[in-house]
Amino acid sequence: AQSVTQLGSHVSVSEGALVLLRCNYSSSVPPYLFWYVQYPNQGLQLLLKYTTGATLVKGINGFEAEFKKSETSFHLTKPSAHMSDAAEYFCAVSDYWNFGNEKLTFGTGTRLTIIP
Amino acid sequence: IAGITQAPTSQILAAGRRMTLRCTQDMRHNAMYWYRQDLGLGLRLIHYSNTAGTTGKGEVPDGYSVSRANTDDFPLTLASAVPSQTSVYFCASSVGPGDTQYFGPGTRLTVL
Repeated sequence: AQSVTQLGSHVSVSEGALVLLRCNYSSSVPPYLFWYVQYPNQGLQLLLKYTTGATLVKGINGFEAEFKKSETSFHLTKPSAHMSDAAEYFCAVSDYWNFGNEKLTFGTGTRLTIIP
Repeated sequence: IAGITQAPTSQILAAGRRMTLRCTQDMRHNAMYWYRQDLGLGLRLIHYSNTAGTTGKGEVPDGYSVSRANTDDFPLTLASAVPSQTSVYFCASSVGPGDTQYFGPGTRLTVL
């Protein structure tokens, strides 16, 4: 079964600084990987996803993530934080090619705070 | 296009009462899901349905039941609510199992 570990339940960065949210996964088959964002009192929205092909994936709002198979990682980055980036971020993995067991597994989330 | 709608938005419920949370999607997605979100635990899958007419158990199914009579609707029923079911419940859908999931706005349920 797949699993996801998000290092750091809370991360604080200054406005304009680099954002780095860490995600490591385990999967028995080539994974599909996702980052979702949740703003207060809302549902989750897809930021970006990796399926196959190019390992650097660009998403909405200036975020990107790189799939590193050797490190089993899919860290999320943004060069310059904005106040509007304050939210909770969830990494998820899908065993897409594991027929009958393709369900997404979510990490426990990282709350990002932006310091003015 | 509305996407996914959930009802009610919030509810306070007495322990022992029966409650059905409604979820409707208009994207003609095959797969639908119910999650609960609790502080520090992330999202945990309660039940899922890969296609109309089929359902399956997720990580935390006890005390919950679902049905999938058609493509669009996926109601979640608490037969006899208990305080530990106090949570925020999210419905989601995807084209197929393992694909990108699209989430509803959630239902905040408090069981007293």
